[in-house]
This record gives sequence, C-alpha cells and structure tokens, in this order.
Amino acid sequence: DTGVSQDPRHKITKRGQNVTFRCDPISEHNRLYWYRQTLGQGPEFLTYFQNEAQLEKSRLLSDRFSAERPKGSFSTLEIQRTEQGDSAMYLCASSQQGENSPLHFGNGTRLTVT
Amino acid sequence: DQQVKQNSPSLSVQEGRISILNCDYTNSMFDYFLWYKKYPAEGPTFLISISSIKDKNEDGRFTVFLNKSAKHLSLHIVPSQPGDSAVYFCAAEGFTFGNEKLTFGTGTRLTIIP
Repeated sequence: DTGVSQDPRHKITKRGQNVTFRCDPISEHNRLYWYRQTLGQGPEFLTYFQNEAQLEKSRLLSDRFSAERPKGSFSTLEIQRTEQGDSAMYLCASSQQGENSPLHFGNGTRLTVT
Repeated sequence: DQQVKQNSPSLSVQEGRISILNCDYTNSMFDYFLWYKKYPAEGPTFLISISSIKDKNEDGRFTVFLNKSAKHLSLHIVPSQPGDSAVYFCAAEGFTFGNEKLTFGTGTRLTIIP
C-alpha cells in the first residue's frame, strides 16, 4: 500500500490553456474522488467514481472540467480553457465501497493559472 | 450554504493541555462524521470518526463527541503535543440517505505551544 499518488504536484499554466492531472488510488479501493481546495476553505467535492462509472458530479464541475477513470484504476481530471478562478489545490482520494469507509487523500496538485 | 461549520479559524493550546475543536452541522441527514488532520503541502489524513448511533468514540489521545440534538461534534486531544499542530477539518456524510460524499468544514488551525 503506497497510498494515493497524484501527478504533477505543481502546475503553472497560462489562462486559456488546457491541463490534465492524474491520480493513482490505493490499489484495492474501488471508489475514487476528486476534491478542490482553495485558500481558507475546506475541500469541496467535485466528482466520484465507483470502478469506472462516474456516479456523481458537483455543480462546481463546469463544462470545462472532465474526469475519467477508464479502467477503474487511475483517473484523470482535465480542465479546458483554464481561468484564473481555477487556481486551487486539486485533491484525489480513494476508499473502499461500503459504510463508514474513510477517504484516503493524496498530496494534491496545486494549479496556478496566470 | 455551509452545511458543516467550524467557527474557530485558529486555536492555540499549551503543550500537555487539552485541545478542544468544535464543529456544527445543519443537515439532519448526516449520519457519519470524521475528523481529518492536514499538514502543509500534504493531503488531509483521516484521524477519527463517529457514527450517528454513538455519542463518543475514543482512539488513544483523540476522542470525538457527538451531540445529535444540538447538531454539534467536538474533537478532544489530550495531552496535546507539538506534532498535533496542524489544520483540522470536520467532515460529514449521509451514507444511509445515499449521500456518500464528504462535506467538509473550513478547518481550524491548531497550534501547540511548547
């Protein structure tokens, strides 16, 4: 168990560019979550997968955001036409399906849009 | 609409004393509550949880209390140690009601004074 891994740790991009982040969950976990955290706030839910199925998306996830988990293992989060308001820490977490199964978070990808 | 509230942004406690962190929630359909701890440049780490069928859960130096009628929970750390200095997030979900994503508070920064 190597924990949840996220890549890259930091990303600086210019407004209007597309960016993609990757998350590798704990191998035996079938649930994968994406959260976003801005300064002074707690993590905010974006979306989650059970295996390869995307079960729920927050209204925070605009049309410029897309997440995939094609084989039920790693996941990618893409942001198209980035805006300065997208600057945040993007956190990935995984868990086992079931009651009272806590989320295990990665160390996040910090995105800065200039 | 902040469904999970942590009204104290910061707290300072002398080493060896008790730290008490508070959290209030508004959604009566939350039935599982968790505390996460976050160090700078790392993702949140699960600390302790409590189900709504209990009013107390203890794990070593950490105890979480739940008062359902007041929609209030608290985390007690005793004795407090310098390594406990971190940001603490309260989180909640409503598993029984099909809400299987965590809603987080805004966090409380705990500083332990040696």
